[in-house]
Amino acid sequence: QKEVEQNSGPLSVPEGAIASLNCTYSDRGSQSFFWYRQYSGKSPELIMSIYSNGDKEDGRFTAQLNKASQYVSLLIRDSQPSDSATYLCAVREGGSEKLVFGKGTKLTVNP
Amino acid sequence: GAVVSQHPSWVICKSGTSVKIECRSLDFQATTMFWYRQFPKQSLMLMATSNEGSKATYEQGVEKDKFLINHASLTLSTLTVTSAHPEDSSFYICSARDGAGNEKLFFGSGTQLSVL
Repeated sequence: QKEVEQNSGPLSVPEGAIASLNCTYSDRGSQSFFWYRQYSGKSPELIMSIYSNGDKEDGRFTAQLNKASQYVSLLIRDSQPSDSATYLCAVREGGSEKLVFGKGTKLTVNP
Repeated sequence: GAVVSQHPSWVICKSGTSVKIECRSLDFQATTMFWYRQFPKQSLMLMATSNEGSKATYEQGVEKDKFLINHASLTLSTLTVTSAHPEDSSFYICSARDGAGNEKLFFGSGTQLSVL
């Protein structure tokens, strides 16, 4: 059973701080990794995708991937109250089209 | 980005009835669509992979006779929950990629099903 693990939180940070979200995965064959943001009662929205080891930056978001450690993270700089949501880590299984999702980390950014 | 339209947004039905959920790709052709289910405070669980013109592939533990999937065209996939029961109450979400080899998955807005 391939798994994607996330700390369910809740993670609470003050406005303007850096929020750090972590994810580990079990399938060493995985090549594609994604972070989705999901507001309550809504469908997920793609935030970042990353395929290679290292960092990938997009605006206030930075995704980090370490395949050797089977670890992927998302940093949100200058956190805003509008960033308050559940963040889902998703991993594409090796040799498959399927995405396996973690349970998500609930982030609250306090004004 | 690509747009995936899902209807209805919410539905309440009586136990034993059937409910159909539609998923449309509005500005692209989707040869493959995915159907997920999400229970409260849980993650998205893949139910089945819907392939245009062929039978859907169901995940282990998902009853194919209960969750009927039809992908008759490149822009439309439907999920029918047959003989719904209260335990089928959940948030159902469809998704699709906007092109062969494109890794990004775009989601419909979801359908909240409540079975009384």
